[in-house]
Amino acid sequence: QKEVEQNSGPLSVPEGAIASLNCTYSDRGSQSFFWYRQYSGKSPELIMFIYSNGDKEDGRFTAQLNKASQYVSLLIRDSQPSDSATYLCAVIWDNAGNMLTFGGGTRLMVKP
Amino acid sequence: NAGVTQTPKFQVLKTGQSMTLQCAQDMNHNSMYWYRQDPGMGLRLIYYSASEGTTDKGEVPNGYNVSRLNKREFSLRLESAAPSQTSVYFCASELGGTGNYEQYFGPGTRLTVT
Repeated sequence: QKEVEQNSGPLSVPEGAIASLNCTYSDRGSQSFFWYRQYSGKSPELIMFIYSNGDKEDGRFTAQLNKASQYVSLLIRDSQPSDSATYLCAVIWDNAGNMLTFGGGTRLMVKP
Repeated sequence: NAGVTQTPKFQVLKTGQSMTLQCAQDMNHNSMYWYRQDPGMGLRLIYYSASEGTTDKGEVPNGYNVSRLNKREFSLRLESAAPSQTSVYFCASELGGTGNYEQYFGPGTRLTVT
């Protein structure tokens, strides 16, 4: 069975620090990778997606993809208390259309 | 422009009762999805509809049925609710097609089955 794994946390970082969130996946043929943010009691929202090996930056967020090692990570620079949320990693497997498979999420706490 | 709307927001059912969760989107999206979210388990796909007129099973379809009523609306029905179906249910929509992968989620329905 194809799986997406995340450490459930909580990951606690001080305000202003870099938060590093990691995700591993089981299928080498996966093509598309996504990071969703979910505040407590709210619905998920897409914050980053990455398709190619390497880094992709968007503001304070950087997604890193390493297909050989089958992991994708999300770095949040200058972390703010408002970044405190659960971050969900999601993967589209090859030949799965647009269906997402989600990891269990990592809870991030940014302390002032 | 409301995005994705879901009704009801909360629901309590007794075991064996039935109900339908409603979802509608106003973004002219082609694809729609139903997920359930249980603590620590992320989101699991129940059913999806890649386009109007089609529906397919996801990872956890047992105990559920769906109807893609038209391009805007996608409903999820529990015929005989069980305590194991206590969860938060999210509907999502997506433009669809190659490269259009962003899913937009509704606010969720919190369902308790006693």
